[in-house]
Amino acid sequence: EVHLLESGGGLVHPGGSLRLSCAASGFTFTSYTVSWVRQAPGKGLECVSSVSVSGDNRYYVDSVKGRFIISRDNSKNMLYLQMNSLRAEDTAIYFCATIMSARPCWGQGTLVTVSS
Amino acid sequence: DIQMTQSPSTLSASVGDRVTITCRASQSISGWLAWYEQKPGKAPKPLIYETSNLESGVPSRFSGSGSGTEFTLTISSLQPDDFTTYYCQQYNSYPWTFGQGTKVEIK
Repeated sequence: EVHLLESGGGLVHPGGSLRLSCAASGFTFTSYTVSWVRQAPGKGLECVSSVSVSGDNRYYVDSVKGRFIISRDNSKNMLYLQMNSLRAEDTAIYFCATIMSARPCWGQGTLVTVSS
Repeated sequence: DIQMTQSPSTLSASVGDRVTITCRASQSISGWLAWYEQKPGKAPKPLIYETSNLESGVPSRFSGSGSGTEFTLTISSLQPDDFTTYYCQQYNSYPWTFGQGTKVEIK
């Protein structure tokens, strides 16, 4: 069974850092681009960052460029999001997601709260 | 980036009603469109992928259609569990983009 499990969320002060992880199982992780999608409280869905199979190609939404770094470890079937210089507006549930054979697959999400 | 315009933002309906939600893309997405339902506090749940394919376990009252830039989600007969929020998503190209969401409310 395909499974994506996020971890690493929590409460952090503005300006702080957090590293999110996503453990993938049940599929060939090394064959798919993977992404982080977030949802701020009461808001819609936003694709924050994506990384290609090899890790060579990375996308970032403008609001996180220079602050967030996406990476993957194909030997461990893991996806990461290093979040630095966090702001209140980064408060959201962060989901990892992928598309396999045209079918979306999402994790359950991890909550990041940026507050003093 | 491809913009996704979803309408309506809110829809008031009754149990048993047939409802339709529309998503328009700013450019052709070649059928790479998914529909989700999202209950409060939960992850989005895929309902339909590649425009019209029903996810396993999703009731047959849900259907999707469209092509190019215009797509629809239809619920043929609303059930009490269907009063929630729905999103469309294009995955023709990165970055993925989403519609603004449609909240289906009880009339």
